[in-house]
Amino acid sequence: GENVEQHPSTLSVQEGDSAVIKCTYSDSASNYFPWYKQELGKRPQLIIDIRSNVGEKKDQRIAVTLNKTAKHFSLHITETQPEDSAVYFCAAKDSNYQLIWGAGTKLIIKP
Amino acid sequence: KAGVTQTPRYLIKTRGQQVTLSCSPISGHRSVSWYQQTPGQGLQFLFEYFSETQRNKGNFPGRFSGRQFSNSRSEMNVSTLELGDSALYLCASSYTRDTDTQYFGPGTRLTVL
Repeated sequence: GENVEQHPSTLSVQEGDSAVIKCTYSDSASNYFPWYKQELGKRPQLIIDIRSNVGEKKDQRIAVTLNKTAKHFSLHITETQPEDSAVYFCAAKDSNYQLIWGAGTKLIIKP
Repeated sequence: KAGVTQTPRYLIKTRGQQVTLSCSPISGHRSVSWYQQTPGQGLQFLFEYFSETQRNKGNFPGRFSGRQFSNSRSEMNVSTLELGDSALYLCASSYTRDTDTQYFGPGTRLTVL
């Protein structure tokens, strides 16, 4: 079955710098890759997603890239701000329509 | 549209008891998934329901069960509660099973004493 690995588990960056979180997946039939942000005490919320027929997608300071050949996708956050501090989860929807989740990355923005 | 709602928001039970949690999806959404989240842990998939049928099941013991009604509302049940069942239980709904976004509810915080 599908397996999603997410790295790093914790990422600390200076405010204003960029942050990159990487995920790899195993099921080549996976076709949908969302990223969720979960702030402390709140529910996970979708921040960006990408489908397998697209290589890159941007939304203001956030971008996601997908490399289907290498089976990995990455979240890029530019000009980080204190409100970006949260846990970020990647996921891949497998051929059984099930979302398989990464273990999460705790992003810390240092002032 | 109203978001995903879950009831109750907080629950305290003792070992051996059973509990039922409820999830009302966004209007029109037919897929409901349930997750368990423990402190500092990720999202552990419990099961997914679509059109009143369980479509996928995670690696949890048979004490965890669920169902979905014709109006897409879903319930999950945990029998013979154990201390390790203390967690945040999240449900998420989506319009279809394919590539649609999952929207999460606020969760039910279950504490087992």
